[in-house]
Amino acid sequence: GIQVEQSPPDLILQEGANSTLRCNFSDSVNNLQWFHQNPWGQLINLFYIPSGTKQNGRLSATTVATERYSLLYISSSQTTDSGVYFCAVVGSNYKLTFGKGTLLTVNP
Amino acid sequence: KAGVTQTPRYLIKTRGQQVTLSCSPISGHRSVSWYQQTPGQGLQFLFEYFSETQRNKGNFPGRFSGRQFSNSRSEMNVSTLELGDSALYLCASSLAGYYNEQFFGPGTRLTVL
Repeated sequence: GIQVEQSPPDLILQEGANSTLRCNFSDSVNNLQWFHQNPWGQLINLFYIPSGTKQNGRLSATTVATERYSLLYISSSQTTDSGVYFCAVVGSNYKLTFGKGTLLTVNP
Repeated sequence: KAGVTQTPRYLIKTRGQQVTLSCSPISGHRSVSWYQQTPGQGLQFLFEYFSETQRNKGNFPGRFSGRQFSNSRSEMNVSTLELGDSALYLCASSLAGYYNEQFFGPGTRLTVL
């Protein structure tokens, strides 16, 4: 099946810093989503972005499907941005496959 | 529009018992998928239902089963529980399937003693 690799696995920032999270995938995809998992376990939708660029406030994402990667940008980070960020894709197996996530810690 | 709901939110069972979890999708969504999240294996796909039919299945033993009702609500059942079944079980709904945006519920945290 399709492989999804996220980097870095862990990231520690000071409040106000910017960051870039990366998601590489091994095959062509028909769906790509970014999620933030809150401390209670719920996955919060950030972006549905099989290709192109989208922005939502301090967050933006870019997917270059032909080169098989996606980037999530977080600007002016806040302590509430802390948590695990997941990239998930759908390939030819029709299953949403998740990466292992990036654990982001934003210190005040 | 109400989001995806899951019940119960927490559950404690003992080995050998069985358990049923419930998921109500967003109104109008016809596809429901289930996922298991553990610290060791991460998020893994269990199965997907669309119009009361299982359309896709992950690599889990037959002890894991599910069904979908005509109103799109879904249940999953785990029989003969094992300690390793302790996990967060997440349900997702979408309009018609994987090519659409998936929306997740808050999850059911199952502990098997």
